[in-house]
Amino acid sequence: GAVVSQHPSWVICKSGTSVKIECRSLDFQATTMFWYRQFPKQSLMLMATSNEGSKATYEQGVEKDKFLINHASLTLSTLTVTSAHPEDSSFYICSARAADTGELFFGEGSRLTVL
Amino acid sequence: AQKVTQAQTEISVVEKEDVTLDCVYETRDTTYYLFWYKQPPSGELVFLIRRNSFDEQNEISGRYSWNFQKSTSSFNFTITASQVVDSAVYFCALSANTYNFNKFYFGSGTKLNVKP
Repeated sequence: GAVVSQHPSWVICKSGTSVKIECRSLDFQATTMFWYRQFPKQSLMLMATSNEGSKATYEQGVEKDKFLINHASLTLSTLTVTSAHPEDSSFYICSARAADTGELFFGEGSRLTVL
Repeated sequence: AQKVTQAQTEISVVEKEDVTLDCVYETRDTTYYLFWYKQPPSGELVFLIRRNSFDEQNEISGRYSWNFQKSTSSFNFTITASQVVDSAVYFCALSANTYNFNKFYFGSGTKLNVKP
């Protein structure tokens, strides 16, 4: 089946540094990718919708300058958490919509811990 | 407005018991999809089922079964003869035509503990 891979699966960084998380569709092209955030023991909240070759659309309350999203190709979207702080510690999950079938597939998630 | 409610925060059962996870949804769209996902401790979301709003047939897949009732806006999930490996957080989700099915509304999740 279709696979969406996230890298890194977990990362620990110091406060003030920037962290980049990649989301790749391994065997299909994805015109649209989505980034979710999940706090411990909570549900997934959509952060932004990323379309290949255009600017991401952010959900209300999500700082676009804080969470930079780039969707440079049909198989890769990146989320960069800039100047990370401990409150940015969370589980970030991406999903990708297959261009041909419209099916949606989720990545394995990336756990960010900011010290 | 779209909303998914999973009223059960946590359920504990003993192995081999049957368990039903409740999901109630709200949407004004006539065309929508409902999903169930399993999230084990490792974190990845495992797709279990997708059901569109025009298909109210119940579905059975092994020990899993789903009951979709539009009249009560519910999409409940039953695990028969539960096993320890079923322990996970289960999310019900809705995507609707309003946002071109792009926006998923997740319930708050139900944590299932299956004890040996």
